[in-house]
Amino acid sequence: LAKTTQPISMDSYEGQEVNITCSHNNIATNDYITWYQQFPSQGPRFIIQGYKTKVTNEVASLFIPADRKSSTLSLPRVSLSDTAVYYCLVGDFLSSNTGKLIFGQGTTLQVKP
Amino acid sequence: DGGITQSPKYLFRKEGQNVTLSCEQNLNHDAMYWYRQDPGQGLRLIYYSQIVNDFQKGDIAEGYSVSREKKESFPLTVTSAQKNPTAFYLCASSMGNRGSGANVLTFGAGSRLTVL
Repeated sequence: LAKTTQPISMDSYEGQEVNITCSHNNIATNDYITWYQQFPSQGPRFIIQGYKTKVTNEVASLFIPADRKSSTLSLPRVSLSDTAVYYCLVGDFLSSNTGKLIFGQGTTLQVKP
Repeated sequence: DGGITQSPKYLFRKEGQNVTLSCEQNLNHDAMYWYRQDPGQGLRLIYYSQIVNDFQKGDIAEGYSVSREKKESFPLTVTSAQKNPTAFYLCASSMGNRGSGANVLTFGAGSRLTVL
């Protein structure tokens, strides 16, 4: 299973773009990269998922280089309500450990006024 | 609306007691999961199940038990063998072994267990 490494914390200001990078050096061929957002005392919420290149939805973009050994979650023009913990999850639905989805420590983003 | 319901939201237990946390989903998802979260920490996998009547241990299964008799339900029992059970427990589900949706987890609101 691919192990992920993220920065423990990041600070930003309202209106700025925030980029959070996740390293996953041993990512496997069939692995997808998924990002979640968690507010205190709530369950994590799905943000975006990708396999390669770039994916964009209404809340974020996900950049994945050709070697797929890292990925970057980009949040455009953050607001105070984006203050949360962000998790990168890398999983392989075809391996013998299918279903064993392991979360890393996450990145705590603090957005300041 | 489809979703995952966890109950109770808050639970207090005396040492030596077993408690069961409920998790029900109406998303028609095949796979279900239990995670434990301690203050300021990430999520740790307790048990997961990909199909009815089958489940697998996660990283911290000792002191916990589960059952999966129905597709919609995946209750977690915290037994007296779990030495430090005070934590926030999260249940999740996913489409399971069906393409990219396997990694997209839908979480419940969580159950906070406190041992007195």
